[in-house]
Amino acid sequence: DIQMTQSPSSLSASVGDRVTITCRASQSISSYLNWYQQKPGKAPNLLIYAASSLQSGVPSRFSGSGSGTDFTLTISSLQPEDFATYYCQQSYSAPWTFGQGTKVEIK
Amino acid sequence: QVQLQESGPGLVKPSETLSLSCTVSGGSISSYYWSWIRRPPGKGLEWIGYIYNSGSTNYNPSLKSRVTISIDTSKNQFSLKLSSVTAADTAVYFCARAHSSGRIFDSWGQGTLVTVSS
Repeated sequence: DIQMTQSPSSLSASVGDRVTITCRASQSISSYLNWYQQKPGKAPNLLIYAASSLQSGVPSRFSGSGSGTDFTLTISSLQPEDFATYYCQQSYSAPWTFGQGTKVEIK
Repeated sequence: QVQLQESGPGLVKPSETLSLSCTVSGGSISSYYWSWIRRPPGKGLEWIGYIYNSGSTNYNPSLKSRVTISIDTSKNQFSLKLSSVTAADTAVYFCARAHSSGRIFDSWGQGTLVTVSS
């Protein structure tokens, strides 16, 4: 199975900050990388697919980049509704696997 | 907009079979890939498997011997059965819709906690 490692596991940030989360795959996955946001008690929400494509309805402050083994999710200006846990997921090779999550908390 | 809702017992005894259903509303189940994903306490997300409307399935090899996913298009529902459960199967279970050959999960249920305990 392809292992996905996210860093950091948690971070504290203020409204308006630029936030970057990284995800590393244990082998090359080309651009088969997706990002999800989950708030407590809510369904996860697809943000980015194919490494850099913004899902319909997702604010443009979210962006993704990377290919091969290293990927990033960037929130350009953190908003109050962005405090949540973020997961990466590889869709290159089954079984699809996820990172352990990055919790973004209020500073 | 499609919505998914999980249902089933919140407590299952060790060695028994965990059974969950997912009801799809706001869209037809007769397309897309319909998946189950879980999150054990303190751990990350784990993909369990999917079913396509034709009935074809794909399971995570780590669970394949114990998992069955089925679909009932007349009820717009799909279901998960996980046999011989242990405490390690305690998790929040999510149902989700996937596209691109089951690779990308674009709609999810809120999840339901299943605890395995006697």
